[in-house]
Amino acid sequence: TQLLEQSPQFLSIQEGENLTVYCNSSSVFSSLQWYRQEPGEGPVLLVTVVTGGEVKKLKRLTFQFGDARKDSSLHITAAQPGDTGLYLCAGPVPNTGNQFYFGTGTSLTVIP
Amino acid sequence: GAGVSQSPSNKVTEKGKDVELRCDPISGHTALYWYRQSLGQGLEFLIYFQGNSAPDKSGLPSDRFSAERTGGSVSTLTIQRTQQEDSAVYLCASSSVGGPDTQYFGPGTRLTVL
Repeated sequence: TQLLEQSPQFLSIQEGENLTVYCNSSSVFSSLQWYRQEPGEGPVLLVTVVTGGEVKKLKRLTFQFGDARKDSSLHITAAQPGDTGLYLCAGPVPNTGNQFYFGTGTSLTVIP
Repeated sequence: GAGVSQSPSNKVTEKGKDVELRCDPISGHTALYWYRQSLGQGLEFLIYFQGNSAPDKSGLPSDRFSAERTGGSVSTLTIQRTQQEDSAVYLCASSSVGGPDTQYFGPGTRLTVL
């Protein structure tokens, strides 16, 4: 059973297009993180959202945390080839204090 | 170095052999995580070290897996009697305080068990 479901699993778009990827759960999270992982590298943290309804912007990336803190979305405006990578959401496992649960990721390819 | 380093970057071994994977965290980081990432999958939590506290080993998939952290710094993940299903990328991450804090990941060790 996946605690964090990400969709779509794969996404291939043309440069300049907009896209949204989703991270959903039936559980409430105190916070959610988004990472980007490039081939041969470890994930790199993009953002942490902690408040229900929170919206954070990082240049062309917009992150939203659902009001009920069960879901999050990442919207990319005018995608560029440099955005290509595996996008992972992650959240602290309830009642552990230190474990993180990662979603299966969305693999994004931006075609020049 | 400034970041988390892992060695080796690639390891090919035969079924039944033991392997050791090394992680050098960022200096001063008290928390250290090990994860496993199978092809096209997300990260699977394995083990967590925080300072001098007893490690959280709840994610280790079997008793063939063990890890230690010497002197609160370098960590070694050992897999005994490797199986083909152990093939994956093993990632190490460190953070300054643990918990919901920024984790800095190493590049991983790609393990292939033939």
